[in-house]
Formats: sequence, structure tokens, C-alpha cells
Amino acid sequence: QKEVEQDPGPLSVPEGAIVSLNCTYSNSAFQYFMWYRQYSRKGPELLMYTYSSGNKEDGRFTAQVDKSSKYISLFIRDSQPSDSATYLCAMSGGSYIPTFGRGTSLIVHP
Amino acid sequence: GAGVSQSPRYKVAKRGQDVALRCDPISGHVSLFWYQQALGQGPEFLTYFQNEAQLDKSGLPSDRFFAERPEGSVSTLKIQRTQQEDSAVYLCASSLNMNTEAFFGQGTRLTVV
Repeated sequence: QKEVEQDPGPLSVPEGAIVSLNCTYSNSAFQYFMWYRQYSRKGPELLMYTYSSGNKEDGRFTAQVDKSSKYISLFIRDSQPSDSATYLCAMSGGSYIPTFGRGTSLIVHP
Repeated sequence: GAGVSQSPRYKVAKRGQDVALRCDPISGHVSLFWYQQALGQGPEFLTYFQNEAQLDKSGLPSDRFFAERPEGSVSTLKIQRTQQEDSAVYLCASSLNMNTEAFFGQGTRLTVV
């Protein structure tokens, strides 16, 4: 079992929908949590960076961390076709080295 | 430049050939990471530098893989005697310091034929 589990999808939603993306993890030392967006043939682009448990909001994006359940989420409100991409969760702790999930492919159709 | 720059963007190598991949991190960033990303998978850690010191190379898949960052800035990932299974995208990321946001380059897509 991998340290970070993420459903690869694809997740297909209509434009305007609220999208929920999730990861679970097993390493309780993880304290820093990140979400990246990766378009085809591009490098990962950092969307959200959070420390420990709680919520963080940035525009249409909300990141949630529940350390007690070892579960993190990214919500996208009013999804747009331009949000179609692969979303990667990543986390780090004592080793300072981000460990990634395999990514969830999101398709937002008009 | 403002971001992490990697070169070349694409590299085709014949099996057995040596290749060198370059990473220019964001100026002033202390930490530098190399990752390997196979098709449909998330990035897998290869090695980590803090300034010029290689603090972790536990992810390097074999002794054919070697990385350096001699002056604490530009880094090079070298793969000797390339094999087909080395075909992947090689990503470089840098961060200001430990446990701060890591920013990625566009990657180098290596195809071994």
C-alpha cells in the first residue's frame, strides 16, 4: 500500500458543478499538504499549500485537512472547462520531501 | 527567469546512451528535488539537495542515475547506459527552504528507443 492514495478517476462533471477531490494517507508524520494541478505535457502547478488540520480558501478553491482521519480534500466551486486537468495531492513532514498521490483526472464538460 | 527552468524539454536517446538533464531552480531557493513521472502516475521522488549537499538519494532507481548541484544552484541529473524503462518525464522542483512551497519546472520527457 502506498503512503498516499488517490483515486485516478476520471471524474467527469458538468460545467458549474462543485468538484470534490480527495486523498488518504498513512504516515502520521505528514504536516504539510499541497494540491497541484497538472495539464497535459506540463509540469505540476501549485494550487494550495496548507499546514496541519483545517480549511483554506483561495477563490474558487477550498482545501480541507483532517489529520485525525488522515484525509484531505480539494473543493472546486463553479467548475469550468479550463479546470480540466489532473489534480495531484502531495504531503510532507519530517523528511521535508513531498510525497505525491497518483493524481485524479478531472473533466469538466460544457 | 521567474520559474524553474528545465532543459532539454524533450530528449530521445538510443538504448545504452548517456544523457544529462539540466535544472535551473528559482534564484535563492535552497531546496531542490528531482522526481520521475511515468505516464498516468504521480511524481516519484528521486533525490533531494539542500544547497550543494545531496541529503537524500534514496529514490534513485539504480547506480546508473547520478545527480549533482556543485554550486548550490543549477543541478544536473545524469543517466548512464539508458534503458527503455528509464523513459519517463523527469521533473525538477525547488523551494525556498524546507517544508515551504515547492515549484516545478515543465519537465524533460525522455524517450529511450
